[in-house]
Amino acid sequence: KNEVEQSPQNLTAQEGEFITINCSYSVGISALHWLQQHPGGGIVSLFMLSSGKKKHGRLIATINIQEKHSSLHITASHPRDSAVYICAVRKGGATNKLIFGTGTLLAVQP
Amino acid sequence: GAGVSQSPSNKVTEKGKDVELRCDPISGHTALYWYRQSLGQGLEFLIYFQGNSAPDKSGLPSDRFSAERTGGSVSTLTIQRTQQEDSAVYLCASSPRTSGGAVFFGPGTRLTVL
Repeated sequence: KNEVEQSPQNLTAQEGEFITINCSYSVGISALHWLQQHPGGGIVSLFMLSSGKKKHGRLIATINIQEKHSSLHITASHPRDSAVYICAVRKGGATNKLIFGTGTLLAVQP
Repeated sequence: GAGVSQSPSNKVTEKGKDVELRCDPISGHTALYWYRQSLGQGLEFLIYFQGNSAPDKSGLPSDRFSAERTGGSVSTLTIQRTQQEDSAVYLCASSPRTSGGAVFFGPGTRLTVL
């Protein structure tokens, strides 16, 4: 079983819809990252979380440390939000290694 | 520089040749990661350098792969006797400190082994 699981793997939405992508992990972490990768593009860091909630524009990320779960929400989705969204956790302790989920491919249709 | 840079951006090589991929992390970043992303696949961890500690090499797929980080800055990933299955985008990322901090990715090197 992967240490970081994302759901759904694929998501198609209509423009304007509210979108939620989920990430669950099974290891102790010091931080969780949400990343975005547009088709053929580089990887961009959206959020780094260790607790609570962060908001940037139409994007909101939350984390529940007790439940080992994080969500990425996109409000008023737009076709330009179409990308792969990747959850990554930084393992706690001495290692600090980043472990990635397999990503969620989001397609927002006009 | 302003971000993580990698070179070359593209590399086409013949099976059996050796290749070297370079990563210049953001100045002052103590943590450096190498990952690879095969077509349509997720990110695969290769190696992680953290400050002056011994690197975590647990993700290197075979002994044909090696990496070094000189002076705590520039890193080179070397693949010897390349195979077609080595074709992928090789990504480097750096982070400002080993105990946390945002991670910044380079643009990647697209390696094609013919």
